[in-house]
Amino acid sequence: EDKVVQSPLSLVVHEGDTVTLNCSYEVTNFRSLLWYKQEKKAPTFLFMLTSSGIEKKSGRLSSILDKKELSSILNITATQTGDSAIYLCAVGGSQGNLIFGKGTKLSVKP
Amino acid sequence: DTEVTQTPKHLVMGMTNKKSLKCEQHMGHRAMYWYKQKAKKPPELMFVYSYEKLSINESVPSRFSPECPNSSLLNLHLHALQPEDSALYLCASSQAVGTRQETQYFGPGTRLLVL
Repeated sequence: EDKVVQSPLSLVVHEGDTVTLNCSYEVTNFRSLLWYKQEKKAPTFLFMLTSSGIEKKSGRLSSILDKKELSSILNITATQTGDSAIYLCAVGGSQGNLIFGKGTKLSVKP
Repeated sequence: DTEVTQTPKHLVMGMTNKKSLKCEQHMGHRAMYWYKQKAKKPPELMFVYSYEKLSINESVPSRFSPECPNSSLLNLHLHALQPEDSALYLCASSQAVGTRQETQYFGPGTRLLVL
């Protein structure tokens, strides 16, 4: 059965800290891994990763995929209170759907 | 433009009502999705439409009835819902299903309360 596991489930940091969120997966015929940020409403797309070892970067956020370890990390540097959200990892499933992890709830304190 | 729109934003309905949720995208995407999300849980897939045909139904009760009138529109018809169906209903679209063009873009959701 396809599955996606995220860790930690929740994290509390102070502004300016750097955080690393983890996502591991077991899926048949891997195609892509996606990261989303969810605040109060719908998930917003952050990154799509398909190739191992190639870092995707957007401002203070970056992510990389390790196909050998079946995992990905999402890094956020110099965190701000606006980074507080649930970060969801998803992997393309064997039926063509997306399999979501349970998410990591990040709280950034001023 | 990566916008998916959903209406209404909020909906309160009784258990005997019939209502519909609407979703629209103009990105030329050929795959559209309905998800249900309960508080503090990830989105849970309900239905997938690919090229206007239903390709996945995740054993959703028949009181939820999806419809895809054309490639830009997706509806979810609701009838005789239960209070436990109260949730955020999210629509998403992607260029295709099951390929590397599967990045899904989500609408803002409809927050549904069943009394």
